Amino acid sequence: GQQLNQSPQSMFIQEGEDVSMNCTSSSIFNTWLWYKQDPGEGPVLLIALYKAGELTSNGRLTAQFGITRKDSFLNISASIPSDVGIYFCAGQREYGNKLVFGAGTILRVKS
Amino acid sequence: DADVTQTPRNRITKTGKRIMLECSQTKGHDRMYWYRQDPGLGLRLIYYSFDVKDINKGEISDGYSVSRQAQAKFSLSLESAIPNQTALYFCATSDPTGELFFGEGSRLTVL
Repeated sequence: GQQLNQSPQSMFIQEGEDVSMNCTSSSIFNTWLWYKQDPGEGPVLLIALYKAGELTSNGRLTAQFGITRKDSFLNISASIPSDVGIYFCAGQREYGNKLVFGAGTILRVKS
Repeated sequence: DADVTQTPRNRITKTGKRIMLECSQTKGHDRMYWYRQDPGLGLRLIYYSFDVKDINKGEISDGYSVSRQAQAKFSLSLESAIPNQTALYFCATSDPTGELFFGEGSRLTVL
């Protein structure tokens, strides 16, 4: 079953608001990844994190690799309608291992 | 052209029928995966293959089988489809860093 706890499960926000979501685990991971799935499409990689404490940005998106290596956060600033979709966190325990996924956060944006 | 191509994109079938979903990739990756997506359950791994001679069960392999015909091709079969196998199926590829590249999905409905 799922080994990553992702929250919140869903969010319905006003356009222009900032968004935060996170992923936690009882195990240590060496890599954290954040994916976005647009409606009707496959997930696409947004940000990859490889070092504890790392803070990485991609446009309005910022993700952090937690210091304990057991969590990661994704923030979206000034949301817009095209941010709608499902966001997944994923972790890799060691190089070469397969990924473990969170259950996803459904984001809806009200214009 | 997409790097990971799935066929068919949509399929409606009846209980008891045999179904094959096909996946081909141009990424040159050794690793290929089949995932199933259900609302609220995220992405669950069905089978994965780390090279042409390697096949491994994922978390929900019962009722499914796979064939790795070549480095670029990985097919998923449902020998006798049942209604609770109605879902969105994704093929993905990766290199050892773990970053997955997904296909656009195959929506299967079993009546």
